[in-house]
Amino acid sequence: NAGVMQNPRHLVRRRGQEARLRCSPMKGHSHVYWYRQLPEEGLKFMVYLQKENIIDESGMPKERFSAEFPKEGPSILRIQQVVRGDSAAYFCASSPRRYSNQPQHFGDGTRLSIL
Amino acid sequence: AQSVSQHNHHVILSEAASLELGCNYSYGGTVNLFWYVQYPGQHLQLLLKYFSGDPLVKGIKGFEAEFIKSKFSFNLRKPSVQWSDTAEYFCAVNALQNSGYALNFGKGTSLLVTP
Repeated sequence: NAGVMQNPRHLVRRRGQEARLRCSPMKGHSHVYWYRQLPEEGLKFMVYLQKENIIDESGMPKERFSAEFPKEGPSILRIQQVVRGDSAAYFCASSPRRYSNQPQHFGDGTRLSIL
Repeated sequence: AQSVSQHNHHVILSEAASLELGCNYSYGGTVNLFWYVQYPGQHLQLLLKYFSGDPLVKGIKGFEAEFIKSKFSFNLRKPSVQWSDTAEYFCAVNALQNSGYALNFGKGTSLLVTP
């Protein structure tokens, strides 16, 4: 499967723990986007990254959330000290280059549940 | 506030009925427009996109959408739905001057096609 790979598909954490969500973009794609979907809501943009660079993090909560896309390996969305309100589906998308007329390709998402 | 609105949250149709899902946006300037579909248990897939040119765009599986700039609308249509069209449909807008690279999604429309 050469699509966008996200893991895990489902993640359960207790309040106060850390959650790490991983995203491997499509082959040949170097641009990654993270979105969050809360229950009964549409997808909300969180952050846009290129390799080793955060380009736009205007949608990221100011505290507890961070993202990286290292030179080697997948992009990681990290949520520290999770709270119940972090329960959501987190989707990753990728595109081949700086977005202009390239559609984003989405992964299956990670469903995060906070106990 | 800038937003993407999908008018129908839940639609139920019989097979062979015609489909039209509404989408309006409130962003000014140049926009790129998309419809994504999410089949049960699967990732978001691109149905069709509009960047420029002919405002009537055709996508996969017999879907089409019409961009009406004066109405800020991008409605999705299909003349005859099938049971396999049962899915969640998301309209998305990339407002290049406002939100850079982010896709701004509507809340989605859940379509159920009955035999």
